[in-house]
This record gives sequence, structure tokens and C-alpha cells, in this order.
Amino acid sequence: QSVLTQPPSASGTPGQRVTISCSGGTSNIGSNSVSWYQQLPRTAPKLLIYRNNQRPSGVPDRFSGSKSGTSASLAISGLRSEDEADYYCATWDDSLSGPVFGGGTKLTVL
Amino acid sequence: EVQVLESGGGLVQPGGSLRLSCAASEFSFSDFAMSWVRRAPGKGLEWVAAIASSGGSTYYADSVKGRFSISRDNSKDTLYLEMKSLRAEDTALYYCAKCISGWYRDAFHIWGQGTMVTVSS
Repeated sequence: QSVLTQPPSASGTPGQRVTISCSGGTSNIGSNSVSWYQQLPRTAPKLLIYRNNQRPSGVPDRFSGSKSGTSASLAISGLRSEDEADYYCATWDDSLSGPVFGGGTKLTVL
Repeated sequence: EVQVLESGGGLVQPGGSLRLSCAASEFSFSDFAMSWVRRAPGKGLEWVAAIASSGGSTYYADSVKGRFSISRDNSKDTLYLEMKSLRAEDTALYYCAKCISGWYRDAFHIWGQGTMVTVSS
């Protein structure tokens, strides 16, 4: 069982806006910044969001992140078929003295 | 292009050892913290170990503490993971990941394609 809780699945239609939640506690999300990763089938994970809401160069602005208290969210607007992938949140956990990942959310584009 | 490339995976018997390598290219390797992250079949991502940019500090997940050792050779732009006393539950695709900064707590920016480790008799 993961320290960070994500819904196992999410779905949307092309063009729609979807959000994926990530819930933690005071020792992780509550006191550290959150990052989000996209993993397409049979490929390496890709960094989408770091430090809660920053996008690395090359990541479209359709992807956005936010954090409030002990929860974080990833929003994807203008959903495309190529967004179908697994999405993971991650942050440092002060109690465990290491990074922790959410269990992952499988996004299906209907 | 900034990239990292893992090697060294394979099939090993329970209790055996294996050494993974990660070759970095097109960035100043010694300026960045590095980590190993794994994904077991049918499961999600799990952080394994991290090392500061200088190599002076290392960090491990409880699941591998005492069995795995992370190190780096900044003169060769290479990261290593020495794995001993391997168990079936260590079976996974192991990724090398470059942090987005020199701070070991920061996000994982660049990932390799992974090297598969299978622990089975």
C-alpha cells in the first residue's frame, strides 16, 4: 500500500479536462514539494510537473499541477488520445527519509 | 541530448549479486544528484536509492537497506548500484534517474530506459 493515495483509474473524452488527485500526510505532501510523472506503455517515466506547479521545458501547458495542504492534483486540459498512460505523483517523506510515489492512476481516453 | 543509459541487468538466483551501471552523457554529471527507481511487474514505481552530487551522502529505501549500495564515479560520469542477497521481490525494471538539480530531494528529471533484473531459481 502506497504512502500517497491516487485513484487507480480515471477517464475522459478527447478535448475534456481531467484531474488526478494525490493524497498524503503532514510528513510528505504537507511539508515537501510534489512532482508528477507520465509513463506511457513500454516507455520510461517522464517528468511532467516539479515543485508542485513547474513544468520542465518541452511539457505542454495543457498539464498543470497544484498543491493544497496534504493533497495535490494534476490537471490535463484538452485531453488527447496520446495522453493515455499511467500517472504518478511523488514527494519526499520526512519520516521515511526518502521519496515516495503514489500507486499510480491509469488514464483512459474514451 | 541529455541521457542516461542503464546496463548490467539479468537473471540471478535468490541470494545472488548483481551490479548495475548507468552511463550519463551530455550534462555535467557531477552537478546532479542521482537515484535508482524500480518498477516490479504489475506494480507501480518504487524509489530504491539516491546519492548526492558529490557522492558524499547516500540514502536507501528500507526494503533494500543493508543489501544494496549506490555509488558514483564522477570522473567516468557513471552511477552504480551494487545489489547483494537478492530476493524474488527484487525482480523489477530498474531505472537510473537524474535529479532536476543538485539537491537529492528534488524531482527526477531524466530517466533511462531501464535494465531488467530477474531473481529466480
